[in-house]
Amino acid sequence: KAGVTQTPRYLIKTRGQQVTLSCSPISGHRSVSWYQQTPGQGLQFLFEYFSETQRNKGNFPGRFSGRQFSNSRSEMNVSTLELGDSALYLCASSLEQGEAFFGQGTRLTVV
Amino acid sequence: AQRVTQPEKLLSVFKGAPVELKCNYSYSGSPELFWYVQYSRQRLQLLLRHISRESIKGFTADLNKGETSFHLKKPFAQEEDSAMYYCALTMGGATNKLIFGTGTLLAVQP
Repeated sequence: KAGVTQTPRYLIKTRGQQVTLSCSPISGHRSVSWYQQTPGQGLQFLFEYFSETQRNKGNFPGRFSGRQFSNSRSEMNVSTLELGDSALYLCASSLEQGEAFFGQGTRLTVV
Repeated sequence: AQRVTQPEKLLSVFKGAPVELKCNYSYSGSPELFWYVQYSRQRLQLLLRHISRESIKGFTADLNKGETSFHLKKPFAQEEDSAMYYCALTMGGATNKLIFGTGTLLAVQP
């Protein structure tokens, strides 16, 4: 079956802009989590959605938000972009409780 | 607070040598522990989880609750084992939130 798909793969934005990243989970998976990966901070949890509800949230500013649709697809949005938001954003999908399957990630560069 | 510590950023060994990647955690409850691996230009993938007690690609990891450790071991390293390895935990309950360590780059020399 198809794996977790993230779009776009690469993105370049300027400071102050906003961006929306998309994640399509594995069919049947209702849990979607987002992570930020940077060389300095490693992999940090952003938030988790399950059946369209945010189930858990990491320690990120309110500029980072997300949502999940009825088909389990998820989007995350970052508003008022800062240079420090440059990172690889990873999405993972799971059954209700289980192994996390990761996407290839979206590489966001803020200039 | 929950925390996962991987003390080595880089571990370099020769092919055929034993490998041990260290992982310590702090969590007051009963976590579930995982090892994830990321090969060059590939996505992050699960290597093994402590509840399954399986050996994957020759790797094993034992959860030591007394020492709060979950070290990854392999008796004979192969060049194809070269990758970034991340130890992670979840807190159980109704969440799949993963708390990751900073990762260890394993380089297996020929």
